[in-house]
Amino acid sequence: EPEVTQTPSHQVTQMGQEVILRCVPISNHLYFYWYRQILGQKVEFLVSFYNNEISEKSEIFDDQFSVERPDGSNFTLKIRSTKLEDSAMYFCASTGDTAGGYTFGSGTRLTVV
Amino acid sequence: GIQVEQSPPDLILQEGANSTLRCNFSDSVNNLQWFHQNPWGQLINLFYIPSGTKQNGRLSATTVATERYSLLYISSSQTTDSGVYFCAARYGGATNKLIFGTGTLLAVQP
Repeated sequence: EPEVTQTPSHQVTQMGQEVILRCVPISNHLYFYWYRQILGQKVEFLVSFYNNEISEKSEIFDDQFSVERPDGSNFTLKIRSTKLEDSAMYFCASTGDTAGGYTFGSGTRLTVV
Repeated sequence: GIQVEQSPPDLILQEGANSTLRCNFSDSVNNLQWFHQNPWGQLINLFYIPSGTKQNGRLSATTVATERYSLLYISSSQTTDSGVYFCAARYGGATNKLIFGTGTLLAVQP
């Protein structure tokens, strides 16, 4: 079964540093997403991406965050200057159309110290 | 705003017992999924079920879209079923985002 691949699985960074989380969505999918889960809480939507642009973003997704699809396979989330409260599990997801199911990656656990 | 609510919040079972988890949503949906979050934090897709009933081994799910709820049934539970179960709904229209419920924490004891 096709998978969404995320790297790295864990990342520890110092406050104020930039991080890039990487995702390889399923190859024929068109819609891409980032979600975040702070420890012990529910999964929250960050941003959706379609046709090489952001289609929707949440209040969490402020100017510190950006997304990019630099080539035909990768989808990245950049946090420009990390804060302690950015510590969370970040999930990438993709879907082939607006009616189908979402496939989630295994997540990147980000710890900001 | 749009709500996805799950019950119960916590559930403790003895191995071999059956259970029913419930997900209520506040508006019509065009996608409803159930996920199991394992102890490593991975979200495992269980069912894509915007309506009707599906079964996969010991698990089954039913969504009654007109009444705005979905149920996840776990039969003959095993310790490996432990973890958090999330339902997530997409409401269509201008948005494609999935909205997650708060989850049910299941602990299956041997």
